[in-house]
Amino acid sequence: KQEVTQIPAALSVPEGENLVLNCSFTDSAIYNLQWFRQDPGKGLTSLLLIQSSQREQTSGRLNASLDKSSGRSTLYIAASQPGDSATYLCAVRVLNSGGYQKVTFGTGTKLQVIP
Amino acid sequence: DTGVSQDPRHKITKRGQNVTFRCDPISEHNRLYWYRQTLGQGPEFLTYFQNEAQLEKSRLLSDRFSAERPKGSFSTLEIQRTEQGDSAMYLCASSLRQGYGANVLTFGAGSRLTVL
Repeated sequence: KQEVTQIPAALSVPEGENLVLNCSFTDSAIYNLQWFRQDPGKGLTSLLLIQSSQREQTSGRLNASLDKSSGRSTLYIAASQPGDSATYLCAVRVLNSGGYQKVTFGTGTKLQVIP
Repeated sequence: DTGVSQDPRHKITKRGQNVTFRCDPISEHNRLYWYRQTLGQGPEFLTYFQNEAQLEKSRLLSDRFSAERPKGSFSTLEIQRTEQGDSAMYLCASSLRQGYGANVLTFGAGSRLTVL
């Protein structure tokens, strides 16, 4: 069974700081990994998707890396802003025993960027 | 197409009542997922459709829960005889297979259920 862990559970940083969020997973035979942002009481917004054959993806101030062999992904946020305050979730997609794709989420890291 | 739509956004009901949530996915997406999320937790998988076929159901989906996608477009999630433990955010997502390894989940805003 795939287990996805995100550490830390909460993080508070001053505005302008660069930061790294961590995601680890137990089954390295993944299909892809997707990072999401969730604002309080809202749905999830996709940030980046990394295919199993890729090592990183970049979008603006965000950079996500993937190391399948060690079961880890990181989300790097450069020059953090108060608007980045949200919960960040990683989701891992694998093929389950029935041949269907299954997505497992981590519990998230709640980020607060202090002005 | 404005993305994945869910209705209602918030439902308050008394214990024992039935509730139904609707999800309208992105029109060209053939895959549709239901997740449940409680406070402070990540989304938990409930069920998954490819077109109109329900391909997988989680053990979390008890006999009181039923999901349908009759024409391969919108989907409904019904909870019968609601219990206080059913209080959660119910999230719908859709995706399109764009080639090997490519399958981006797009989520709706969610339907929050409060059972009194």
